[in-house]
Amino acid sequence: AQSVTQLDSQVPVFEEAPVELRCNYSSSVSVYLFWYVQYPNQGLQLLLKYLSGSTLVKGINGFEAEFNKSQTSFHLRKPSVHISDTAEYFCAVSDRPRKLVFGTGTRLLVSP
Amino acid sequence: DVKVTQSSRYLVKRTGEKVFLECVQDMDHENMFWYRQDPGLGLRLIYFSYDVKMKEKGDIPEGYSVSREKKERFSLILESASTNQTSMYLCASSASGTTEGAEAFFGQGTRLTVV
Repeated sequence: AQSVTQLDSQVPVFEEAPVELRCNYSSSVSVYLFWYVQYPNQGLQLLLKYLSGSTLVKGINGFEAEFNKSQTSFHLRKPSVHISDTAEYFCAVSDRPRKLVFGTGTRLLVSP
Repeated sequence: DVKVTQSSRYLVKRTGEKVFLECVQDMDHENMFWYRQDPGLGLRLIYFSYDVKMKEKGDIPEGYSVSREKKERFSLILESASTNQTSMYLCASSASGTTEGAEAFFGQGTRLTVV
């Protein structure tokens, strides 16, 4: 069964600094990969997804992620964060349309 | 605009009560899901449905059941609520198909407290 590892439960960063949130998944077979964001007291919103093609994927709010098949990773990056990026970020993997497996989440804390 | 609506944002129920959580989507999606979200555990799949009246168990189905009588509506039922079911519950939907079906759209969540 697929599994997703988000090693960092919390990442503190200063405003305008770059950030990377790490995600590793368990299988090297063809998968779909996602990053979702959850703002306080909200549901999840899709940030970006990798289905096929270019390994560098650009999403909303200036985020991007790179699919690395050999390292089974899909790390999320942003070159300069804002206070409003404070949220919880979830990496997810799917090897078939109906089954999304989520990581445990990374809380991004942006301070002035 | 895509919309998944959960009937309640906050619920407080007593131990032993039968609890219904309702979810409606307006995207004509075939697949619907119920997740439970707990700190440090991420999202765990309780049940999902890929068609009307069809359902499959997820990773943590114990103590829950579901109902899908219409395509747009998916209900989660706690037969006899217990305090360890206090959690945030998230409903999601997705279309079938290899590409389109991979993305799930989420509701706002229902924070359930069982006392």
